[in-house]
Amino acid sequence: GAGVSQSPSNKVTEKGKDVELRCDPISGHTALYWYRQSLGQGLEFLIYFQGNSAPDKSGLPSDRFSAERTGGSVSTLTIQRTQQEDSAVYLCASSLGPLEPQHFGDGTRLSIL
Amino acid sequence: AQTVTQSQPEMSVQEAETVTLSCTYDTSESDYYLFWYKQPPSRQMILVIRQEAYKQQNATENRFSVNFQKAAKSFSLKISDSQLGDAAMYFCAYRENSGGSNYKLTFGKGTLLTVNP
Repeated sequence: GAGVSQSPSNKVTEKGKDVELRCDPISGHTALYWYRQSLGQGLEFLIYFQGNSAPDKSGLPSDRFSAERTGGSVSTLTIQRTQQEDSAVYLCASSLGPLEPQHFGDGTRLSIL
Repeated sequence: AQTVTQSQPEMSVQEAETVTLSCTYDTSESDYYLFWYKQPPSRQMILVIRQEAYKQQNATENRFSVNFQKAAKSFSLKISDSQLGDAAMYFCAYRENSGGSNYKLTFGKGTLLTVNP
């Protein structure tokens, strides 16, 4: 079956613009995660969705970052007024449940000029 | 807070040889999982192997095996008979198995593995 799908694959934008990153999880996976991978760094947890529960937003670095998950499926990560330090690869993962292995997408490489 | 440390930013190995990647972690928990993920240039994170902390037997998956030393908080990955396709960034990761944040993976900074023909 299809894996986790992320779009766009690459995004280049000017500082100050807003961007939206999309994640389409594996069908039937109730848990969805966003991570950020900055150059030369490991993955940094951003946000977690599980079913209809309130998301864990504790990893979002600032109030310019927000995410939603509509209908328990597709998720969108929005970054407002982008800054150069937002440049990174944003990875989405999904799993059958919180204790199940996480399956990752190919990520979106975001470059802020 | 849990931390994961990979002390080798880069490693290289000759094709068909064996290489060991190091990982140490810090936690006060006793029930947790440890993982090794592989990230090729395609960027997709691929789960290589995982180990439950309460299991004393080291996990193995074909050419990949781990050396889990719970008391030392060490979790190294051994790749035997290295192949060109093993070249990638390898990340060690930790997850609690209980508690309110048991879904969060904490990653090390990675080790870039080069396989020489």
